[in-house]
Amino acid sequence: DAGVIQSPRHEVTEMGQEVTLRCKPISGHDYLFWYRQTMMRGLELLIYFNNNVPIDDSGMPEDRFSAKMPNASFSTLKIQPSEPRDSAVYFCASSLFPEDYEQYFGPGTRLTVT
Amino acid sequence: QQQVKQSPQSLIVQKGGISIINCAYENTAFDYFPWYQQFPGKGPALLIAIRPDVSEKKEGRFTISFNKSAKQFSLHIMDSQPGDSATYFCAASKGNMLTFGGGTRLMVKP
Repeated sequence: DAGVIQSPRHEVTEMGQEVTLRCKPISGHDYLFWYRQTMMRGLELLIYFNNNVPIDDSGMPEDRFSAKMPNASFSTLKIQPSEPRDSAVYFCASSLFPEDYEQYFGPGTRLTVT
Repeated sequence: QQQVKQSPQSLIVQKGGISIINCAYENTAFDYFPWYQQFPGKGPALLIAIRPDVSEKKEGRFTISFNKSAKQFSLHIMDSQPGDSATYFCAASKGNMLTFGGGTRLMVKP
């Protein structure tokens, strides 16, 4: 398996623009997680899905952030409009909980908002 | 989310030495305690994990020690190697929602 796939790997955008991050989980995994990593706040869980349904979005910072999972093999995290404080590395992870507690992380998308 | 506190923030160890990273948690409902390893430019990857019904788990050079009464757990890396240089995160969960510690940047000097 190719593992969790994220695109793009790097994104540079101007403040106010819409940003869409993409994730393909490991085939067969029914849980998908979106995390944000910054120096100041570390690794934060933003939202997670089970069988394509959002279960907990309490970590989503504000209404500018939205996430969707239209099918078992694709998810998006959208920021609209983007702000400089959104600059971070965004990770997607998937798991086969409860058979396997391990969360498999993708390589991340480094977002820079200028 | 309940906080997981990790220390130290950074650690320098000589090759062959022992690296020790500590974590403390608050929520007694947590029932799964993994350690993740992250190399620059990569996503975190599971290194080793423990459940609260055991006090120690060892996998190769990596050992988790768990103290349920103190609500603390630690990662020991024996015979540390330069290839172990990475950032290490402890985490805790009840179910599948992980709460991560702040991370420890380990550098192993040759």
